Amino acid sequence: DVKVTQSSRYLVKRTGEKVFLECVQDMDHENMFWYRQDPGLGLRLIYFSYDVKMKEKGDIPEGYSVSREKKERFSLILESASTNQTSMYLCASSPAGDGTDTQYFGPGTRLTVL
Amino acid sequence: GQQVMQIPQYQHVQEGEDFTTYCNSSTTLSNIQWYKQRPGGHPVFLIQLVKSGEVKKQKRLTFQFGEAKKNSSLHITATQTTDVGTYFCGWAAGNKLTFGGGTRVLVKP
Repeated sequence: DVKVTQSSRYLVKRTGEKVFLECVQDMDHENMFWYRQDPGLGLRLIYFSYDVKMKEKGDIPEGYSVSREKKERFSLILESASTNQTSMYLCASSPAGDGTDTQYFGPGTRLTVL
Repeated sequence: GQQVMQIPQYQHVQEGEDFTTYCNSSTTLSNIQWYKQRPGGHPVFLIQLVKSGEVKKQKRLTFQFGEAKKNSSLHITATQTTDVGTYFCGWAAGNKLTFGGGTRVLVKP
């Protein structure tokens, strides 16, 4: 079974803090994704990566950056957290391909910014 | 640009009854995927449809891709409490998947 893990299930941070969300997958998948999920808005893509050290902006990249130094790990960084970044953050991975293949999601991190 | 609507946003269903959720697109889709997210859980892949008019079944779930590949439906028969959750459709948009807003299903026992 594909396993995608995220570093924290719940996280509380203060406005202005730098926040790191970590995601690790164990199936040697090429593609990794970060989404945020808000009520009524579904899943919105923040950033994705097709390969190590490679990244592409999704639909809502503002206020976020990412890092992929190793194939199995994809980090989401909030340089200066703001209250409107309070949300559920979901990481996903998919096998090699054009990014439209089946996605396997992690358990999510619920981030609250005070 | 491409617009895809997932309807309804909410669905209250009496246990034992059937219901259907839809994804409707203004343009032709290359494929469509369906995911289910249980309360407190994460989205889990259910199925992918690729061919025009394709119909696939998983027990009480029937997935359909329209002839024009502009719409898709998920029909659940004899709803059970285990069907509670949010159902998302996802479609290829450029080189990534885009997801609908989801249909949140609540089951009344």
